[in-house]
Amino acid sequence: DSGVTQTPKHLITATGQRVTLRCSPRSGDLSVYWYQQSLDQGLQFLIHYYNGEERAKGNILERFSAQQFPDLHSELNLSSLELGDSALYFCASSRVANQPQHFGDGTRLSIL
Amino acid sequence: GESVGLHLPTLSVQEGDNSIINCAYSNSASDYFIWYKQESGKGPQFIIDIRSNMDKRQGQRVTVLLNKTVKHLSLQIAATQPGDSAVYFCAENMGGGKLIFGQGTELSVKP
Repeated sequence: DSGVTQTPKHLITATGQRVTLRCSPRSGDLSVYWYQQSLDQGLQFLIHYYNGEERAKGNILERFSAQQFPDLHSELNLSSLELGDSALYFCASSRVANQPQHFGDGTRLSIL
Repeated sequence: GESVGLHLPTLSVQEGDNSIINCAYSNSASDYFIWYKQESGKGPQFIIDIRSNMDKRQGQRVTVLLNKTVKHLSLQIAATQPGDSAVYFCAENMGGGKLIFGQGTELSVKP
């Protein structure tokens, strides 16, 4: 158990909808990261938050947004969903940026 | 370049043998590298890391080698066990916590 908790584990929705994925980092970790894993693109970095502030962005679509709250949990919001957004979404956390990132078990998002 | 996960290379070994998984990274300025193990239905699990001021680091049954000259990483697993069967990813830290993952190698351990 990595100590990183992601909910929900599975999400099935339709095109055009909006969903929110939630992540609770390991106790004491200030950095939270989001990744997308799909069959054709592998594991792709989306965004990094440190203590509530955005620190780095990857190839995150404009339809996607994230935030980190004062209690350090984070949410990833995906809107105007398309079939191609079907993927596993992972959250990871670390104490600071240049230390090992520990991953949750992901949310599997299926768009019908 | 960025990771593209297509057809995974596969490494098949006999239980008890040593395994070597290789990885090429892209950015000569990367200073921190991590190996992860991913089992089916789970998130990537941290195995071992190495910083660019080292060329070798050992853990329990695992060793990571870093060759900065040719931008190459390897993960050696000693006395491979069936529980080691998984997909293994190398990742390089591009700064700001952004990890770039390799495509992964599927390790299959035959009893």
